Amino acid sequence: DVKVTQSSRYLVKRTGEKVFLECVQDMDHENMFWYRQDPGLGLRLIYFSYDVKMKEKGDIPEGYSVSREKKERFSLILESASTNQTSMYLCASRSTGFDEQYFGPGTRLTVT
Amino acid sequence: QQQVKQSPQSLIVQKGGISIINCAYENTAFDYFPWYQQFPGKGPALLIAIRPDVSEKKEGRFTISFNKSAKQFSLHIMDSQPGDSATYFCAASMGTGGFKTIFGAGTRLFVKA
Repeated sequence: DVKVTQSSRYLVKRTGEKVFLECVQDMDHENMFWYRQDPGLGLRLIYFSYDVKMKEKGDIPEGYSVSREKKERFSLILESASTNQTSMYLCASRSTGFDEQYFGPGTRLTVT
Repeated sequence: QQQVKQSPQSLIVQKGGISIINCAYENTAFDYFPWYQQFPGKGPALLIAIRPDVSEKKEGRFTISFNKSAKQFSLHIMDSQPGDSATYFCAASMGTGGFKTIFGAGTRLFVKA
């Protein structure tokens, strides 16, 4: 069974803190994605990776960076968290040549 | 041109009724149109998808209707059940395995028992 796991379901951080969100998939997928989900805005792509150590900016990369050192793991980094980064963060993975994305359960991040 | 506009924002339907959610796009290069279903506390999961070479796709109680000339597509849920209560996202992307999927804003469906 396909599985994408995210390290935390809920996270509360202070403004200015460095925040790491971790995502692991067990499907040997080449492609991994980070989205943020906000009410009325749907899902917006932050970054994606199509291979180990490879990354591309999505639609809203400002204030974020990513790391992919191993195929199964994709990390989202908030270098200096701000209150406008309070959101639900969703990780997804997909096999090359296929369209379906598999999502993790999400991390609800609150920055105070 | 990259937007996918989804309506309504929320929908209340009686059990047994038909739920209809609509989406519109502008970029004619989109060639894959999925619908994702998200239950509270879960990530979205693919429900049904269509490519523009067909006008309709049906899977059980779920049907996508696709109008290429109008650049619109819709999800119909027949005989809606309380278990269908969830948030539904339409989306669009380009090319097989296209990296960028553009999602609609989502529709929160509530089916009354």
